[in-house]
Amino acid sequence: QKEVEQDPGPLSVPEGAIVSLNCTYSNSAFQYFMWYRQYSRKGPELLMYTYSSGNKEDGRFTAQVDKSSKYISLFIRDSQPSDSATYLCAMSQNSGGSNYKLTFGKGTLLTVNP
Amino acid sequence: GAVVSQHPSWVICKSGTSVKIECRSLDFQATTMFWYRQFPKQSLMLMATSNEGSKATYEQGVEKDKFLINHASLTLSTLTVTSAHPEDSSFYICSAPVSPTYTFGSGTRLTVV
Repeated sequence: QKEVEQDPGPLSVPEGAIVSLNCTYSNSAFQYFMWYRQYSRKGPELLMYTYSSGNKEDGRFTAQVDKSSKYISLFIRDSQPSDSATYLCAMSQNSGGSNYKLTFGKGTLLTVNP
Repeated sequence: GAVVSQHPSWVICKSGTSVKIECRSLDFQATTMFWYRQFPKQSLMLMATSNEGSKATYEQGVEKDKFLINHASLTLSTLTVTSAHPEDSSFYICSAPVSPTYTFGSGTRLTVV
């Protein structure tokens, strides 16, 4: 079993739809959970991060972490064509430390159609 | 916010030549830099971790003599692909921890012909 599982999609939705992306993981030591957005041929950019369990909201984006189920989600409300990208979940045991590497999901390719 | 500047953004080289990729932390000191490789439609694969002033740590299966990593200062880490071959063609990305998360360079697309 991989440490982080993410459905690679692709996922295609109409503009304005609510998008739900999720990842499951097996390592209970993970404490920091991040979502990155990657446009084609670009480096990933941080969208959201959450420490431990709970919800975090930033504009149209909401991140949820359920450590008891080892399940994290990213919701995008009122999706826009500019949201079309690959979304990568990532997690680590510690925050920004050199000894704690990020473990990534495979990424979900999202297309928002106008 | 913290920015990692990565150059070049793309490079084409001939088989057998070497290519150097640079990552600079612009407004912070990066004591650690992670180097990733990404194939089309796949996730990032960690190749190695560089630490300023010490030898890099390579992931299992990564040839340290082919992928030379140098972290000579707190703001510069370099990856040199030596004697490049077509199978080394890929997207290479660097990343630095910026507590509590990580910031990434913009990536380098390497094509070996």
